[in-house]
Amino acid sequence: AQSVTQPDIHITVSEGASLELRCNYSYGATPYLFWYVQSPGQGLQLLLKYFSGDTLVQGIKGFEAEFKRSQSSFNLRKPSVHWSDAAEYFCAVGKDNYGQNFVFGPGTRLSVLP
Amino acid sequence: NAGVTQTPKFRILKIGQSMTLQCAQDMNHNYMYWYRQDPGMGLKLIYYSVGAGITDKGEVPNGYNVSRSTTEDFPLRLELAAPSQTSVYFCASSYGQKDGYTFGSGTRLTVV
Repeated sequence: AQSVTQPDIHITVSEGASLELRCNYSYGATPYLFWYVQSPGQGLQLLLKYFSGDTLVQGIKGFEAEFKRSQSSFNLRKPSVHWSDAAEYFCAVGKDNYGQNFVFGPGTRLSVLP
Repeated sequence: NAGVTQTPKFRILKIGQSMTLQCAQDMNHNYMYWYRQDPGMGLKLIYYSVGAGITDKGEVPNGYNVSRSTTEDFPLRLELAAPSQTSVYFCASSYGQKDGYTFGSGTRLTVV
């Protein structure tokens, strides 16, 4: 079964600084990969997704992520963080069209200093 | 376009009580899911459905039941509430796995 790890539980960055959130997965083939963001008291919102093609994918709100097969990673990046980016970020991996095989990581909480 | 609507937003139950968490989507999605979210644990799949009349268990189904009589609605039933069911519950839907999920805003349930 596939699994997802997010090594950083909590990250703090200053507004305007760059950001990279790490995600590693365990799966034998190329999985479907997603990043979601959750603002306090809200549901999760899809930021971006990857399942084939160009390994650098662009998402909403200025985020991008790069799939690196050799490292089994799908790290999320943003060149300049805004205070409104403070939230919890979840990486997720799925391998087929059924939710039973779709796994979320534990999440990384992002704090932004003014 | 409302997306995924969950009710109620908050609920306190006593041990042994039962309740139904409602979930409705208006996007004509075939796939619907129920997750629970506990601090530091990510989201765990409770049940899912690939279409009206079809449901299946996820990773943590014990203590819960679901039904899917229409494409739009996917209620989650707790029959005998236990403190271990204190959590935040999210309903989600998708057209297909590659499309990602649309989530509701969640139901915060406390069992005392």
